[in-house]
Amino acid sequence: EVQLVESGGGLVQPGGSLRLSCAASGITLSTYALSWVRQAPGKGLEWVAGISGSGATTYYADSVKGRFTISRDNSKNTLYLRINDLRAEDTAVYYCAKNRYDSSYSGIVNWGRGALVTVSS
Amino acid sequence: DIVMTQSPDSLAVSLGARATINCKSSQSVLYSSNNKNHLAWYQQKPGQPPKLLIYWASTRESGVPDRFSGSGSGTDFTLTISSLQAEDVAVYYCQHYYSIPFTFGPGTKVDIK
Repeated sequence: EVQLVESGGGLVQPGGSLRLSCAASGITLSTYALSWVRQAPGKGLEWVAGISGSGATTYYADSVKGRFTISRDNSKNTLYLRINDLRAEDTAVYYCAKNRYDSSYSGIVNWGRGALVTVSS
Repeated sequence: DIVMTQSPDSLAVSLGARATINCKSSQSVLYSSNNKNHLAWYQQKPGQPPKLLIYWASTRESGVPDRFSGSGSGTDFTLTISSLQAEDVAVYYCQHYYSIPFTFGPGTKVDIK
C-alpha cells in the first residue's frame, strides 16, 4: 500500500521560509512524477508544483513561481517543497501527491494526509 | 491557463437517487497523441485528503464502487453517482492534467436530501 507522509508544516511569520518533506513507503518513488497541491482553509484545491521521476524537470503554478522550489531525493524516497518569502495567502494544507506514471501529465493517483502551513505574525 | 467550471455548486439528493455533476473546461483536454481526455474526478470528505475516483475522464480507479461513473469528451464532462449512499456525502472536484497549470474545478458539494 502506498503511503505518503508530509512533515515540516507549522506557524511561520510573513517573509519567513520553510521546507516541507514527503516520505513515501510501499513504493519506489523514482519511477513516478510527484506533485504538491494546496488547499486554503475552507477553499478548493490548487495545484502548485510538479516534478519528474529523475527530478530533472519541474513545473510551477504562476502564483508560486520564484518562491517555491520542488525537489526530490530518490535515495531517500522523499519529496520536498521549499517555500520562501511566505505570505498570508500561502496559509493552507499542503498535500504531497504521486502521479500515475513518470509524467506530470498522467494525473494524480495517491495523496498524503497533508501538512498545515500557517503564515501569521 | 485552462479554466475549469463545475455545476451545480451544491446539490442534495435522496438516498438511492442519482446525482449528476458537470465539469467544463475552457479548452479541450483531449490529447491527440494518445486520444485520451486528461481529466480526473476526486472525492474529498471533511478532514480528509482527496481520493481519486475517475481518470482519463471515464476510467474508474481500482476499488471505487461502480455506482460512480464518468463520461464526456473535449470540454464537457459529467460525474454520475447512480444510487447515492450516505458515505458519498463529500465535495467532488474535477481536474485537468492537459497543460501546466493542472487546474481544479471549484468543487461541488453533495448532501443527502
